[in-house]
Amino acid sequence: NAGVTQTPKFQVLKTGQSMTLQCAQDMNHNSMYWYRQDPGMGLRLIYYSASEGTTDKGEVPNGYNVSRLNKREFSLRLESAAPSQTSVYFCASSEVEGSEQYFGPGTRLTVT
Amino acid sequence: GEDVEQSLFLSVREGDSSVINCTYTDSSSTYLYWYKQEPGAGLQLLTYIFSNMDMKQDQRLTVLLNKKDKHLSLRIADTQTGDSAIYFCAERFYNQGGKLIFGQGTELSVKP
Repeated sequence: NAGVTQTPKFQVLKTGQSMTLQCAQDMNHNSMYWYRQDPGMGLRLIYYSASEGTTDKGEVPNGYNVSRLNKREFSLRLESAAPSQTSVYFCASSEVEGSEQYFGPGTRLTVT
Repeated sequence: GEDVEQSLFLSVREGDSSVINCTYTDSSSTYLYWYKQEPGAGLQLLTYIFSNMDMKQDQRLTVLLNKKDKHLSLRIADTQTGDSAIYFCAERFYNQGGKLIFGQGTELSVKP
């Protein structure tokens, strides 16, 4: 099992460009999450999907959209990137809503 | 409100015990977690404690929970250089998709 995988590992964008971060899990988990990690701060929840077909906002959803494509995949889209979105993005999954979360390796995004 | 605080740095000598502390403000959390993040990697779940427990031991790791003071600690016995990493505590809430609120992370440096 690969666990939680994320692509790409690194990305540099110019202000205003768009991109989609991909996340997939092979653990047959129902719930998936997107977090961002900034220096000196813990992880903050952007969006989550408690189960296939549902998505909900977390603490910092502005500037992002998500798609729960199927049970395995949960993507995060930046429609018009801003320098404030420079961060490391982590995807996580859990068996059910509220159970232990398992994290991917992260995507380091820089917006210039 | 929801807030989790940790000190940012801890330095110990190899073979000593490390104690990483965490305080939280919201008493409605159900589980409290400790995650480890090695450089360039995602978060790895180390251990967790249910909010009605006082202590949990798992090999070299001991978690203590003081609910009255809303204080959580992680003790690592016989600390090794491989324990050098950032350690995050996190609260989980029953509602909001089992949302995790993370502390800022404590960077543990183990000197030989």
